[in-house]
Amino acid sequence: EDQVTQSPEALRLQEGESSSLNCSYTVSGLRGLFWYRQDPGKGPEFLFTLYSAGEEKEKERLKATLTKKESFLHITAPKPEDSATYLCAVQAETSGSRLTFGEGTQLTVNP
Amino acid sequence: DARVTQTPRHKVTEMGQEVTMRCQPILGHNTVFWYRQTMMQGLELLAYFRNRAPLDDSGMPKDRFSAEMPDATLATLKIQPSEPRDSAVYFCASGLRPGGGAYEQYFGPGTRLTVT
Repeated sequence: EDQVTQSPEALRLQEGESSSLNCSYTVSGLRGLFWYRQDPGKGPEFLFTLYSAGEEKEKERLKATLTKKESFLHITAPKPEDSATYLCAVQAETSGSRLTFGEGTQLTVNP
Repeated sequence: DARVTQTPRHKVTEMGQEVTMRCQPILGHNTVFWYRQTMMQGLELLAYFRNRAPLDDSGMPKDRFSAEMPDATLATLKIQPSEPRDSAVYFCASGLRPGGGAYEQYFGPGTRLTVT
């Protein structure tokens, strides 16, 4: 069974204080790992897809990295508008298009 | 800016009533997903379609839930009869597979369902 565990559950940062969110996964053949951002009352917003260990992708203050067991979402010099819940999901080679989501990390960035 | 649209955005109904939620996927996306999100369970996949054909509905309670895609621009999720435990936010997502890789899914704003 595919599993995704995100840590920490909640993270509070000061504006400009860089940090990382973790996503650990177990999957029978990874087709892709996804990061989403979800604001209260809205649907998840697609951020990145990572396919293989060693891959990195960046978007503004966010950088996602992937190893064989986990992925990190690095947030550099965050701003209050980066406050959201960040969701990690995996798609296995044997699960068709099904995504297995983690529980998310709720990030709060204080001004 | 192409987006997935969902209607209604909010629905309050009484136990036993039928509920229909609608989704318009992004034009050109051939895969449509229905998810349910609750505080306790997080995001759960209910069902998904490819080219309008159902591929997986194993996450859906078959006795009361049904999902259809009557045409490429409309997907529906029905609950009959509804129960209080169905209260949740229901998301539709549509997807594409860039370059033959994993399916990227783009979510709509959701329908917040409350069953009293």
